[in-house]
Amino acid sequence: QSVLTQPPSASGTPGQRVTISCSGSGTNIGSSHVHWYQQLPGTAPKLLIYRNDQRPSGVPDRFSGSKSGTSASLAISGLRSDDEGDYCCAAWDDRLRAWVFGGGTKVTVL
Amino acid sequence: QVQLQESGPGLVKPSQTLSLTCTVSNYSLSSGSHSWSWIRQPAGKGLEWIGHIYASGITNYNPSLKSRVTISVDSSKTQFSLKLTSVTGADTAVYYCAGERVVATVTDYYYYVEVWGKGTTVTVSS
Repeated sequence: QSVLTQPPSASGTPGQRVTISCSGSGTNIGSSHVHWYQQLPGTAPKLLIYRNDQRPSGVPDRFSGSKSGTSASLAISGLRSDDEGDYCCAAWDDRLRAWVFGGGTKVTVL
Repeated sequence: QVQLQESGPGLVKPSQTLSLTCTVSNYSLSSGSHSWSWIRQPAGKGLEWIGHIYASGITNYNPSLKSRVTISVDSSKTQFSLKLTSVTGADTAVYYCAGERVVATVTDYYYYVEVWGKGTTVTVSS
């Protein structure tokens, strides 16, 4: 069971906006930044959002992140078929002294 | 651009030690702007952080694995390694090495897993 909680699945039609939530506690999301990773089928995770809402170079602005209290969310706007994959949140946990991850949300484009 | 590549046996017998190496290209492990992690993912499941090592040599390990894990950097400063002892079937997973960027500003200090290797599958079976 993952320390951070995400919905197992999310879906939308091409062009729609999809939002994925990530819930934690005061020792992780509540006290540190949240980062998001995209994992396309059969590939390694790729950094999508860091420091809650920052996009690395090369990541389209269709992807956006936010954080409030002990929760965070990732939004994908203008959904495309090649966005299909798993999306996972991560945060450092000050109590565990460890990175903790969400269980991942599988995004399906209908 | 930092690149990472995992290597090591794909099959390990139960109770034995899993040993993996990560070769880092285009970067020196002794630089203070990154730390170096191992992360694993059982088939169909989420990511689990195993531990990391800073340029100083300081390590942090997942409390659930701490008694069995050692992460070290080799003297060439181009590879770091993972040793996991007394393995069982529950240790079967894809193992990733990763680089964490360390950011220190006047107002903030944080880090994040920035770059990942492609992963290597390790199966624990007799």
